[in-house]
Amino acid sequence: DQQVKQNSPSLSVQEGRISILNCDYTNSMFDYFLWYKKYPAEGPTFLISISSIKDKNEDGRFTVFLNKSAKHLSLHIVPSQPGDSAVYFCAASAASGTYKYIFGTGTRLKVLA
Amino acid sequence: DAGITQSPRHKVTETGTPVTLRCHQTENHRYMYWYRQDPGHGLRLIHYSYGVKDTDKGEVSDGYSVSRSKTEDFLLTLESATSSQTSVYFCAISDQGHNSPLHFGNGTRLTVT
Repeated sequence: DQQVKQNSPSLSVQEGRISILNCDYTNSMFDYFLWYKKYPAEGPTFLISISSIKDKNEDGRFTVFLNKSAKHLSLHIVPSQPGDSAVYFCAASAASGTYKYIFGTGTRLKVLA
Repeated sequence: DAGITQSPRHKVTETGTPVTLRCHQTENHRYMYWYRQDPGHGLRLIHYSYGVKDTDKGEVSDGYSVSRSKTEDFLLTLESATSSQTSVYFCAISDQGHNSPLHFGNGTRLTVT
């Protein structure tokens, strides 16, 4: 049972435009959410996170939105740059003492120059 | 970059042989994790540790065991490697186990022939 889902395996966006990556979760106990970027042959790199007490968090070109009622989060990248081309993973964890971080299957973003 | 070293970086082994992957950290973080990355499955949690000698199972723990005798080292052992365990394995660390990001190593590519 996939608790964290990224339903779009891939996304192509023109340079300078907005990239929107989506993530859905099923476990209502999740209260901390993260986004990672991964280049080939490297480990995932942390991008941005959000706690369930917030609905938005911004860091430079990256903004994460959280809709708790819909169990949905999204990552906005504005403006998109060719160097943003990578696989993006969302992840979630719950304050239940299990210390687990559950990841989605990833979305491959391609930013076209 | 978080001080995480995975060894070896690449390994080819035969079916039925035992294999041990090592993760070494210099950050003194309490929580350590092993994930595997496979196409279509994203990052799946194998085992994690919440302290020296304290470990627990993740989503895909069958066929794997772990040990943590020191804060800095977390070992993943494939008791008897199978072709289905061909994957890229990532180690990650966290200082809080919740409400803080995971930081990943650069991975070990394991091929079981």
